[in-house]
Amino acid sequence: DGGITQSPKYLFRKEGQNVTLSCEQNLNHDAMYWYRQDPGQGLRLIYYSQIVNDFQKGDIAEGYSVSREKKESFPLTVTSAQKNPTAFYLCASSPEGTVNQPQHFGDGTRLSIL
Amino acid sequence: GQNIDQPTEMTATEGAIVQINCTYQTSGFNGLFWYQQHAGEAPTFLSYNVLDGLEEKGRFSSFLSRSKGYSYLLLKELQMKDSASYLCAVRERDDKIIFGKGTRLHILP
Repeated sequence: DGGITQSPKYLFRKEGQNVTLSCEQNLNHDAMYWYRQDPGQGLRLIYYSQIVNDFQKGDIAEGYSVSREKKESFPLTVTSAQKNPTAFYLCASSPEGTVNQPQHFGDGTRLSIL
Repeated sequence: GQNIDQPTEMTATEGAIVQINCTYQTSGFNGLFWYQQHAGEAPTFLSYNVLDGLEEKGRFSSFLSRSKGYSYLLLKELQMKDSASYLCAVRERDDKIIFGKGTRLHILP
């Protein structure tokens, strides 16, 4: 079945450590997104990518980095510069150029600080 | 700047009708989505509007007025399983999609 896979489901980080969250899709979608969700809040856009080897900052990109070397993959690195990284991280994808198509979401990664 | 506003919480009774409003100010407009999200889960797609008017899909309907920057989601014949957060999202230029903070809907028996 086609879909988006995020791993791991739960992740723990020590202070001062970088961690990378994986997002893989086999839907042949061009656009991919990373969102952060804090308890009781909506989704805030971190980064998005419309095409391989290109990506744009969202509203809260500071302390995060991404890469888009392959169409299927859009990993997110939470760097030590992100001072409050504890949150639920959601990856999504959508076909580019077909504006009525909704985003497909992965099941999310819950990141906590030890 | 960009902004999407929704009420933080709403309460309704099982079997009743509830309307969740969303107002937006965004950089360009290429459509508005409504998603349902249960706690700890990923959002699931409910509806999409790009032209003015009402889109009906079973118990759920969504309305859009582009001139007013306004949309609503209408839920009929409420069921206990409809207790969830409802997220309004706007697709701006260049496929950027931004979300409101969501409305937590509580259903009372």
